[in-house]
Amino acid sequence: GAVVSQHPSRVICKSGTSVKIECRSLDFQATTMFWYRQFPKKSLMLMATSNEGSKATYEQGVEKDKFLINHASLTLSTLTVTSAHPEDSSFYICSAQMGGKTQYFGPGTRLLVL
Amino acid sequence: GENVEQHPSTLSVQEGDSAVIKCTYSDSASNYFPWYKQELGKGPQLIIDIRSNVGEKKDQRIAVTLNKTAKHFSLHITETQPEDSAVYFCAASTDVSGNQFYFGTGTSLTVIP
Repeated sequence: GAVVSQHPSRVICKSGTSVKIECRSLDFQATTMFWYRQFPKKSLMLMATSNEGSKATYEQGVEKDKFLINHASLTLSTLTVTSAHPEDSSFYICSAQMGGKTQYFGPGTRLLVL
Repeated sequence: GENVEQHPSTLSVQEGDSAVIKCTYSDSASNYFPWYKQELGKGPQLIIDIRSNVGEKKDQRIAVTLNKTAKHFSLHITETQPEDSAVYFCAASTDVSGNQFYFGTGTSLTVIP
């Protein structure tokens, strides 16, 4: 149980385009989903927290207009990187909570912006 | 806010030996401490967690200990195997933080066959 999927697993895009990453909780309803960014050999950096049906809470320094988060249902959250640039290249990971404290992580999405 | 420190950053052990990774936290209100294992190119996987009302928890070869007074917790892996090689992250969470996790900086564990 507690499986979280992400799609796509890997994406390459041109600078200036937008990329959408989906995060789904497959066998449970997630009251809260989190989006993280991870640089090589570094820890996870929380970008934003989203609760179903409400606006996401962004961490300081994270541009909400750049990283659009939608949490339309209890099993789906999306992160859209708008007007992507090479510096947005990174490993993006989502996690989901089902009411308790435990966060279950997705497999991650590697974004490369050319 | 909460500050979690993790040591060591890298650890190499011989197969069969034990590995210990330590984390300290700053917020005495933290009450939940999970440990995650992350293999290369994958998302973190929960391997064990402990709550503040418990001092120790064990699951087969993995154990976690918590010292609330000293504000530190440790991951112990016994009889290490090559497949234990990965990056391990500790985290701390409080009820006040809205269930946000504060992660340690990670420990890259290598088990040498």
